[in-house]
Amino acid sequence: AQSVSQHNHHVILSEAASLELGCNYSYGGTVNLFWYVQYPGQHLQLLLKYFSGDPLVKGIKGFEAEFIKSKFSFNLRKPSVQWSDTAEYFCAVNSGGYQKVTFGTGTKLQVIP
Amino acid sequence: EAGVAQSPRYKIIEKRQSVAFWCNPISGHATLYWYQQILGQGPKLLIQFQNNGVVDDSQLPKDRFSAERLKGVDSTLKIQPAKLEDSAVYLCASSSIRTSGYTYEQYFGPGTRLTVT
Repeated sequence: AQSVSQHNHHVILSEAASLELGCNYSYGGTVNLFWYVQYPGQHLQLLLKYFSGDPLVKGIKGFEAEFIKSKFSFNLRKPSVQWSDTAEYFCAVNSGGYQKVTFGTGTKLQVIP
Repeated sequence: EAGVAQSPRYKIIEKRQSVAFWCNPISGHATLYWYQQILGQGPKLLIQFQNNGVVDDSQLPKDRFSAERLKGVDSTLKIQPAKLEDSAVYLCASSSIRTSGYTYEQYFGPGTRLTVT
């Protein structure tokens, strides 16, 4: 069964600091990978996705993620965070074949002005 | 385009009572998901429908939870009887699905926050 690990549960950064959130998954076959974000009081929404092709994926609001197949990782990055990036971030994996999408436990990011 | 609609937004019930949640997915989305999100955890899939058929309900506590998706559109999730540990946010999501079986991104509703006392 597939599983997803997010190692950072709570991250506190100052504005303009760089961000990297870790995500590792367990499935060895072809995967589709997602990062979702939940801003305070809002729905979960897609930040970016990887299906195939270029392993460096760019999403909304300056976020990017790199798929490293050999490390089973899909880490989320942003060079300079803003206060408005304060949210909870979830990594998710879908191994296809009508298999379920499995979510990680989430990382709460707090950006201090 | 209209998003995923859910109701009610909040519900407080006593243990052993029953409760039902409703979801209307984005028009044309064949796949509908119900997730349970307990505070401090990621969403856990309860059931996944492809049109009106069940694709995955392996984590649905079938002794107390049930779900249906009549006519492949709206869906209801029911809990009967509720337990204290059912307190959570229940999320509905929908997506298109590719011919390969891999999913497109999911669109989530606002969720229903259930408190069981």
